[in-house]
Amino acid sequence: NAGVTQTPKFQVLKTGQSMTLQCAQDMNHEYMSWYRQDPGMGLRLIHYSVGAGITDQGEVPNGYNVSRSTTEDFPLRLLSAAPSQTSVYFCASSATGGWDEKLFFGSGTQLSVL
Amino acid sequence: AQSVAQPEDQVNVAEGNPLTVKCTYSVSGNPYLFWYVQYPNRGLQFLLKYITGDNLVKGSYGFEAEFNKSQTSFHLKKPSALVSDSALYFCAVRDRDGGFKTIFGAGTRLFVKA
Repeated sequence: NAGVTQTPKFQVLKTGQSMTLQCAQDMNHEYMSWYRQDPGMGLRLIHYSVGAGITDQGEVPNGYNVSRSTTEDFPLRLLSAAPSQTSVYFCASSATGGWDEKLFFGSGTQLSVL
Repeated sequence: AQSVAQPEDQVNVAEGNPLTVKCTYSVSGNPYLFWYVQYPNRGLQFLLKYITGDNLVKGSYGFEAEFNKSQTSFHLKKPSALVSDSALYFCAVRDRDGGFKTIFGAGTRLFVKA
């Protein structure tokens, strides 16, 4: 009964370092997405995918890369971390990305960039 | 463009009293509206959604929401608040013109006092 699993839960980076936030789901969902949550700004969409091999940009894609090689996994890469990327990151999925589908969220990754 | 506004940063109610968390939206087509709740150090959880039909929708934990097309609102309500309802609540919207993107409001913190 895992649902959406994110790792790590916490991470501290220095400016310029790179890292990958992991996201996996075991519900055979086609649609997966990454959001960042900042105080007073709600959740903003970074990137999303509607199936293996298909990705697209959301509202705030700059500084982030994604790929989708399998249905289960959707990693988010920070190539050169900046303090502006300090945030809480959530991965979310739904069955097909249909308009009426609810999103299933992971528990989040709290990232600090010094 | 799609947008969601939650005009109150925080709502304070006494346990046993009714609660309302406000949400207004702007979309170009017919809206698909959602409410999610976030408990401390957790990911978001789905509460309820409006797709079409009855303007009053019922969801989890005794919550309900009223869709008002003329006022472009989707306020979250509960007849009798519990201390355990204290959390961060997010309104979200999709429409067909927005494709696969779900847009979230900034969130409203609900504090229920015993």
